[in-house]
Amino acid sequence: GESVGLHLPTLSVQEGDNSIINCAYSNSASDYFIWYKQESGKGPQFIIDIRSNMDKRQGQRVTVLLNKTVKHLSLQIAATQPGDSAVYFCAENRQMDSSYKLIFGSGTRLLVRP
Amino acid sequence: NAGVTQTPKFQVLKTGQSMTLQCAQDMNHEYMSWYRQDPGMGLRLIHYSVGAGITDQGEVPNGYNVSRSTTEDFPLRLLSAAPSQTSVYFCASRRGAWGDQPQHFGDGTRLSIL
Repeated sequence: GESVGLHLPTLSVQEGDNSIINCAYSNSASDYFIWYKQESGKGPQFIIDIRSNMDKRQGQRVTVLLNKTVKHLSLQIAATQPGDSAVYFCAENRQMDSSYKLIFGSGTRLLVRP
Repeated sequence: NAGVTQTPKFQVLKTGQSMTLQCAQDMNHEYMSWYRQDPGMGLRLIHYSVGAGITDQGEVPNGYNVSRSTTEDFPLRLLSAAPSQTSVYFCASRRGAWGDQPQHFGDGTRLSIL
């Protein structure tokens, strides 16, 4: 079936380096995507979103890239800090029946080495 | 604003017991939803509501009931708890019932069924 998935379950990076977390989706009709960060014992926290009419969107130290041709989404974190250690989820906002529903991938754990 | 508030934070039940997980939001959001998160998996949608008096099923609705009598509150009821319902439960809300807006999550209820 169609799903949102992640390429790597765990990513380890050196503090100060850039991090790239990837996500593949298979529903070509989806038009909105969200990245969430989840710290231990907390709920998912919104990081950044992107609509399908955009290829790139930047926030504070984060950039999301969308490649609709290959159905690929990535989250780039610049100058990764220890506080960035968490599980990151991409989510696809998909129209189902009479509403839109978030479909989550299984997550990537980001570990930042001091 | 407190955002999305969930109570209790932790709960242990015996098989067959019933209970209600509470969720409240103070952002006047139309859309509210319940997810469960199991180890190594992303969040799966249980039930959702696009406004007061309107609810619908998500991906995994069996064993759960919901109601939405007010805009602010969206309780989740387990009628007869089963060990398979051991999970972390998250409530979320977003401003509109439709489309491209991020959902905001509470910090979860950790539920164990013995």
